[in-house]
Amino acid sequence: ILNVEQSPQSLHVQEGDSTNFTCSFPSSNFYALHWYRWETAKSPEALFVMTLNGDEKKKGRISATLNTKEGYSYLYIKGSQPEDSATYLCALRDDKIIFGKGTRLHILP
Amino acid sequence: KAGVTQTPRYLIKTRGQQVTLSCSPISGHRSVSWYQQTPGQGLQFLFEYFSETQRNKGNFPGRFSGRQFSNSRSEMNVSTLELGDSALYLCASSLNQGPGTGELFFGEGSRLTVL
Repeated sequence: ILNVEQSPQSLHVQEGDSTNFTCSFPSSNFYALHWYRWETAKSPEALFVMTLNGDEKKKGRISATLNTKEGYSYLYIKGSQPEDSATYLCALRDDKIIFGKGTRLHILP
Repeated sequence: KAGVTQTPRYLIKTRGQQVTLSCSPISGHRSVSWYQQTPGQGLQFLFEYFSETQRNKGNFPGRFSGRQFSNSRSEMNVSTLELGDSALYLCASSLNQGPGTGELFFGEGSRLTVL
């Protein structure tokens, strides 16, 4: 059974600063790693789906990398803005879909 | 294009009752999965359906069941409700044809309170 760990659990970042957080998992075969952003009172929204070791994806100020051999993925946010405040979830897709507990990001004005 | 629709949005039940939640996926999406979120826990995978067949199931007791209809709409049922079943239940749909890489599109959830 895959176990997905996310760190830190919570993070406070000054507006304009850059930040990153981690998703760790047992190094094993799986179909894909997903990142989602979940804003309060909304539904989780997909940020990235990554499948290959060394994958790097970017969407505006947000980017992610995947290292399947060492079992981690990083999510980076450059120049944090108030609208980046949310919980960021990663999920491993094999036969099931296993989510981490998320990193709750607070952007301080 | 309409998103994933879940009904009802809120409901209150008492212990021992049963509940049915509904999920209408995005048009054209044939995969539907269900999740439970309780305080302090991440999203817990309940089950996934594709073309009316349950493809995978999470580690939940048999009181939790689901089904998918020919139009891809899905329902989940919880029988003999317990206080611990109080949670936000999220449904997600996906385009993926197999257990692949398709991103999930989530509904707004059904918040169940068991008294």
